[in-house]
Amino acid sequence: QSVLTQPPSVYAAPGQKVTISCSGSSSNIGDNSVSWYQQLPGTAPKLLIYDNNERPSGIPDRFSGSKSGTSATLGITGLQPGDEADYYCAAWDTSRSVYVFGTGTQVAVL
Amino acid sequence: EEQLLESGGTLIQPGGSLRLSCAASGFTLNNYPMSWVRQVPGKGLEWLSVLRDNGATTYYADSVKGRFTISSDSSQNTLFLQMNSLRPEDTAIYYCAKDSTGTTLDSWGQGTLVTVSS
Repeated sequence: QSVLTQPPSVYAAPGQKVTISCSGSSSNIGDNSVSWYQQLPGTAPKLLIYDNNERPSGIPDRFSGSKSGTSATLGITGLQPGDEADYYCAAWDTSRSVYVFGTGTQVAVL
Repeated sequence: EEQLLESGGTLIQPGGSLRLSCAASGFTLNNYPMSWVRQVPGKGLEWLSVLRDNGATTYYADSVKGRFTISSDSSQNTLFLQMNSLRPEDTAIYYCAKDSTGTTLDSWGQGTLVTVSS
């Protein structure tokens, strides 16, 4: 179902940096802005990044986003135990007129 | 403070119908695009539908097109999802979400669980 591809999991030690890739196509990421969502265990998703690289109020600058062509990347620096969660990219798909989520990436803090 | 509260989830038999509600507070629902998203427990997020342009425009995922209908009631400041011809694969947690830019789901409800089983 998902048309945006993410790695299933990434991990790093506390204080380290992780990056999560999100690969799409010309009709979604290539044509529209990307958002990222964080879902802590047992909770609803929360907006983390919008418009490719903007952070909502209250989101620390340890979280960053970027986009190039048909791919996007989420970066988390200074990894903390509280960052253990599932992360999803998403974008509108112009050709199908649907909103598409990525496959999701589980972040583990060793 | 913006809040969304879903309700209506329950156990229902295959082939049945169910209407989910999403009560909004802290903002006027019809001023923003509003989406429904679901998640099978332990699996990823699946976008289902959006209501935008003050209720004039709707879009649906292929998986629910023709079976689900999104709507709203401005007097109740509430979003709805009418689900017909339910299937076991529709079993999931259903979230409503407010869209602030047309492609950014910036507020989410806590979700309501729908179980389709005989």
